[in-house]
Amino acid sequence: DQQVKQNSPSLSVQEGRISILNCDYTNSMFDYFLWYKKYPAEGPTFLISISSIKDKNEDGRFTVFLNKSAKHLSLHIVPSQPGDSAVYFCAARRAGANNLFFGTGTRLTVIP
Amino acid sequence: EPEVTQTPSHQVTQMGQEVILRCVPISNHLYFYWYRQILGQKVEFLVSFYNNEISEKSEIFDDQFSVERPDGSNFTLKIRSTKLEDSAMYFCASNRGIMNTEAFFGQGTRLTVV
Repeated sequence: DQQVKQNSPSLSVQEGRISILNCDYTNSMFDYFLWYKKYPAEGPTFLISISSIKDKNEDGRFTVFLNKSAKHLSLHIVPSQPGDSAVYFCAARRAGANNLFFGTGTRLTVIP
Repeated sequence: EPEVTQTPSHQVTQMGQEVILRCVPISNHLYFYWYRQILGQKVEFLVSFYNNEISEKSEIFDDQFSVERPDGSNFTLKIRSTKLEDSAMYFCASNRGIMNTEAFFGQGTRLTVV
C-alpha cells in the first residue's frame, strides 16, 4: 500500500547546484510530513518537517515545500554538497497518530 | 546529544529461533517505535508503544512479535519463531509524543535469519 511515493530512485547533482527531491502522497489524512536522510548502516536522521497548515519551511540549506491540493511535497537543497550524498526518505503522519509512513527513498549523489 | 541506541548491531539466527532486539530510547521520550526495512525496500512501521502498552500496530506485527519495556530504559522487540522473511534491518525510534515532533531513530539491528 504505497501511501507515500518517491518516484525517482536516484538523482545526481553537481556540487553547488540545487537538488530537488520529490514526494507524493495519497492519504488526505496526513497532516505532518518529514524528510529523513540515511547513510548506509545507519538509522534515518531527521532533516526537516512541515505541518499541513504551512506551504514552506526552511532550515539553512534545506527547504521543504508542500502543495496540499496536489498532495505533493519537495525537498530543496541548495547549494548541494558532497556530504549530502545519501538516501532521502519522505515520511508522513496521520492526524492524531504518531507512526510514520515512509516512501521508498531517493538516492542523492552530489558530484564534486 | 541524546540518541537512541540499539543492540546488537548484527544478529544471525537460525530459522525457528527466538530473537530479542534491544533498544534504549531517548530518556525523556514517551513514544517508542519499531520499524523494519527489508533490503531494497521502504522503511515499514511495525508497532508503537506508549504508557506501557501498544498504541498502534501494523499488519506485519502478528502474533510472532511482541514488545516490552522491562525496566525504565530498555524497549525490546521479540520475534518468537523467526522466519527467513524476517531478515531485515530493524530500527527503534522514539519521540516526545507531542504532536508534530520528529522521531529519532537508532542505528538499527541487522537481523539475518538462516
